[in-house]
Amino acid sequence: AQTVTQSQPEMSVQEAETVTLSCTYDTSESDYYLFWYKQPPSRQMILVIRQEAYKQQNATENRFSVNFQKAAKSFSLKISDSQLGDAAMYFCAYRSQNRDDKIIFGKGTRLHILP
Amino acid sequence: DAMVIQNPRYQVTQFGKPVTLSCSQTLNHNVMYWYQQKSSQAPKLLFHYYDKDFNNEADTPDNFQSRRPNTSFCFLDIRSPGLGDAAMYLCATSRDVGNTEAFFGQGTRLTVV
Repeated sequence: AQTVTQSQPEMSVQEAETVTLSCTYDTSESDYYLFWYKQPPSRQMILVIRQEAYKQQNATENRFSVNFQKAAKSFSLKISDSQLGDAAMYFCAYRSQNRDDKIIFGKGTRLHILP
Repeated sequence: DAMVIQNPRYQVTQFGKPVTLSCSQTLNHNVMYWYQQKSSQAPKLLFHYYDKDFNNEADTPDNFQSRRPNTSFCFLDIRSPGLGDAAMYLCATSRDVGNTEAFFGQGTRLTVV
C-alpha cells in the first residue's frame, strides 16, 4: 500500500522569504501522480501544483515549485516570496494511475507566515 | 461559484442516531470521493465512486454507507454515529482518474453528542 509522509507538522516563514515543505512517499508503482494541496482555515482544499512521475522536469506554478526526486521518493514544495495569503495547511498527496483510484494524503504541514 | 457543495456545513447528531451528509457537484465529474478528516490527521479515504461503480476501502467501518443516485449527488450515511465518528467529512470530485485535479467541497463538520 502507498503511504505519504510529511515530517513537519508546522513551519513558519517570514513574509517575502522562501520556505520548503518536505514530503516523502512509498510505492511500488512506476507511474503515478503527486500533488500539493492547500487548505486555508475554514475553506476548501485547492490544488497548488501537480507532478507526473514519468516527467523528470520539476513542475512550477508561479511562486510554487517542486523538487521531485523519484529514486528517493521525495517531493518537496518550495514557496518563494511568501505572502500572508499562503498561510494554510499544506497536504502532499499521491494518486495511482490505474482505475482503482485513490488519492492518499499526508498528515499535512501547517504553514505560518510572519509579517 | 461553488462547484462542489456540501450540506450542511455543521451537523450535530445524537449518539446512535442516523445521519446523512450530502454532496453535490456542478462539474459533471465521473469520480466522487468521501474523506474523513480528524484534527491533525491526514484525510482518510472512506470510499469513492467511479461513475456508478462503488469502491469501498477495506478499513471503512460498516457503519458508513454511501449512495450516488445520479452523477451530481452523493450521500454519506452514518447508521449509528459514535463519539469517534466526530470529524470533518470532505467530499471531492474528479473528472477522471490519474492526473486530473480533484475539487473539494468545504466539508461538513460532524459533532456527536
